[in-house]
Amino acid sequence: AQSVTQLDSQVPVFEEAPVELRCNYSSSVSVYLFWYVQYPNQGLQLLLKYLSGSTLVKGINGFEAEFNKSQTSFHLRKPSVHISDTAEYFCAVSGEAAGNKLTFGGGTRVLVKP
Amino acid sequence: DVKVTQSSRYLVKRTGEKVFLECVQDMDHENMFWYRQDPGLGLRLIYFSYDVKMKEKGDIPEGYSVSREKKERFSLILESASTNQTSMYLCASSLVGMRNTEAFFGQGTRLTVV
Repeated sequence: AQSVTQLDSQVPVFEEAPVELRCNYSSSVSVYLFWYVQYPNQGLQLLLKYLSGSTLVKGINGFEAEFNKSQTSFHLRKPSVHISDTAEYFCAVSGEAAGNKLTFGGGTRVLVKP
Repeated sequence: DVKVTQSSRYLVKRTGEKVFLECVQDMDHENMFWYRQDPGLGLRLIYFSYDVKMKEKGDIPEGYSVSREKKERFSLILESASTNQTSMYLCASSLVGMRNTEAFFGQGTRLTVV
């Protein structure tokens, strides 16, 4: 079985400061890893994904994440946040098994303060 | 662009009613999913389907059923709605296999059971 733990439920951060959102996963098979963002009153939108290859993945809106297999982590970072980055962020894992079931973490709510 | 459309943004139903939530995708995806989203719990998988007429239980299937008669449509059914089923419901779809395991989400249906 696969699972995802997002270690912080809320992260307040000042505008133009860096942010890191932590994600750890467990899975018995090869994994694909994702970060999604949900802006208020909207559905989920993909920020970035790791399928294979380079462990540093760059996504939209200046976000990047690093896959660390030994630590089973996939932390999300942005060097300088904007007010518009206020949203909820979800880490997710899926695998090669039939159906590619996607398992989500509990979410991290980011509040960017001016 | 991939489009996943949920039939309603907001629904209010009475306890004991049979409720249908509809989801349609236009990209010929094999996989379709139903999640519910609750504060602090992230997204939890209710059911998923990897082909027409095929379905598998997710993590919280109790009180729900699904129907997939056509590839593009996946319906979630609350047999007898209860107040603890008040939640945001999200539908998603994805391709099978390594080509692209990204899931695309609808805008969500906020269901209130009174």
